[in-house]
Formats: sequence, C-alpha cells, structure tokens
Amino acid sequence: DTAVSQTPKYLVTQMGNDKSIKCEQNLGHDTMYWYKQDSKKFLKIMFSYNNKELIINETVPNRFSPKSPDKAHLNLHINSLELGDSAVYFCASSQASTKQFFGPGTRLTVL
Amino acid sequence: KNEVEQSPQNLTAQEGEFITINCSYSVGISALHWLQQHPGGGIVSLFMLSSGKKKHGRLIATINIQEKHSSLHITASHPRDSAVYICAVRSSGGSNYKLTFGKGTLLTVNP
Repeated sequence: DTAVSQTPKYLVTQMGNDKSIKCEQNLGHDTMYWYKQDSKKFLKIMFSYNNKELIINETVPNRFSPKSPDKAHLNLHINSLELGDSAVYFCASSQASTKQFFGPGTRLTVL
Repeated sequence: KNEVEQSPQNLTAQEGEFITINCSYSVGISALHWLQQHPGGGIVSLFMLSSGKKKHGRLIATINIQEKHSSLHITASHPRDSAVYICAVRSSGGSNYKLTFGKGTLLTVNP
C-alpha cells in the first residue's frame, strides 16, 4: 500500500518541452508539498497546498505551475523546460503541519 | 549562511560505534525534523520534535531550544544505517508549513 506515489519515476525530455509530474496520497492528509532536490542533494520547498488552497509559493519560475484537483492529488506542470530544471522532485503530504511523508521522487533530466 | 547548519558533512564509522550528527539553526522554530535519505533516494521522516528528547529503536533525537541546537544519535550503528541524514526546521514566524533544510550529513557505516 503506497502512501505517497509519484509518476513517472524517471523523465527524460528535451529543452523547451512541457511536462507534468503527478502525485497522489492515500493517507487522508490535508496538506501536500512539492520539493526540488538539486545535484548537490539540497532540498528546497517549491509549493504547498492545504485543502486545495495554495499556501506556500516560493521563488519559483512561473513556468512551474502546481495544480490540486482534490486533497489527495497535487500535480506539477512545467512549461518550456530548461537545463537547470534537471533535478529530483519530491512530493510529500502531512496532516496540517505534522510529520511529512515523502513520495519516491521523480528524476527529471532535461537534454 | 544557511539558516540550518549540519555537522559533520561526512561521517564514516565502524559497525557498532555510537554516532552523533549535529544541527544548528539561526531562527526561532516551532518544530525540528530529522529525515533519512537512503542511497536509493527515498526520504523517510525519523522524528519531529519541539522540545526534549525522542527515541525510536536505536535512534535518539534531542533538541535544546535555548541553544538552537539538535542532535541525532545512533547507538550500535550498523551498515544499514548508511544514508544521508537531513535536519529541517519549521520557523515560528511565517508559514507554519514551510520546512527549511540543512545540507545533510552523509553517514557511512563499515562492517
């Protein structure tokens, strides 16, 4: 029983393309997050939704757009991909501001 | 300077040794998290604490709010403990949901 799942696990694409990463949690949590982990393994928050409402929107290029169709899903759409977007993207969820549960990550490679 | 500093950056130990990883932070916090990232990339939340000490199996986490410092201890270390250990803080100001991460400590336990 996967608690937080992400698809795809790997994504290889060309510069300029548009791509989406999907995230789903079956924990009944009300808050979901997107994190970016760069090549130096440093984690940084990108977005967070609480009950489908955007509550954290860090300094992220507006080519990145999160979408939360319901409390269990938070998708990340990226337009006009650039080389610097290559990273591992992690989705996570929590009940309010308690302990967070992480997805397995999506490794994005932009060529 | 990062708001969250971890030391050491890298740590190599022999199986059975007692391990300590330190985390210092510069802001007021409402909670501190310790995370473990395995070589395969998955991230697991180990502890969330706001005062005192928590213990789970061979892992112990302590926090001193006045000194803005936390430690993660591993007793009787084992090769399977080899991973990156990440400290993250939730600031007491601003968004109650945002975590700021340290750069991680790479622990290698040799048999």
